[in-house]
Amino acid sequence: AQSVAQPEDQVNVAEGNPLTVKCTYSVSGNPYLFWYVQYPNRGLQFLLKYITGDNLVKGSYGFEAEFNKSQTSFHLKKPSALVSDSALYFCAVRDMEGSGNTGKLIFGQGTTLQVKP
Amino acid sequence: DTEVTQTPKHLVMGMTNKKSLKCEQHMGHRAMYWYKQKAKKPPELMFVYSYEKLSINESVPSRFSPECPNSSLLNLHLHALQPEDSALYLCASSQDLRGFSNSPLHFGNGTRLTVT
Repeated sequence: AQSVAQPEDQVNVAEGNPLTVKCTYSVSGNPYLFWYVQYPNRGLQFLLKYITGDNLVKGSYGFEAEFNKSQTSFHLKKPSALVSDSALYFCAVRDMEGSGNTGKLIFGQGTTLQVKP
Repeated sequence: DTEVTQTPKHLVMGMTNKKSLKCEQHMGHRAMYWYKQKAKKPPELMFVYSYEKLSINESVPSRFSPECPNSSLLNLHLHALQPEDSALYLCASSQDLRGFSNSPLHFGNGTRLTVT
């Protein structure tokens, strides 16, 4: 079965420091991976997606993600955190089992990022 | 601002009421979704529509009834809900499912539903 894991419920960083939010996945076949961010009382906003062949993917708001096939990871990174980056982050993989692309996403449990001034 | 618009933003309803949630997108997307989300949890898929046809129903109770009148609109009709159905209901859309496996979902800001 396909799955996504976010091992940390919460990540705390100081403003200006680099941040990493971890995600590992388990899929059969090519992984279609995504990162989303959710601010309080809002929907999920798409940040970035894995593109086959690019191990470092750049996304919105200065975020990037590093794909590592051998470690089956897709960690979200940012070189310098902002207080406004504080939010709930979800990693997701497209569910491609069975009849192919049904549109379903498998989400990780989410990681709350807290950036302190 | 999101390109998927959901109304109303907040809804309080009694267990005997009938209400509807509405969702609209004008991105030309042909797949639309309803998700349910509890606080600080990942969204849970309820329904998927592809080309205005229901393609996935994740064993959702019949008190939730989806409808896709056209390619831009998605409704969720609610009847005889329970207090445990209180949640944030999110609509999303994406490109055609065929051949667009890396197409992201675009979410609306949701309807905060409270069942009393």
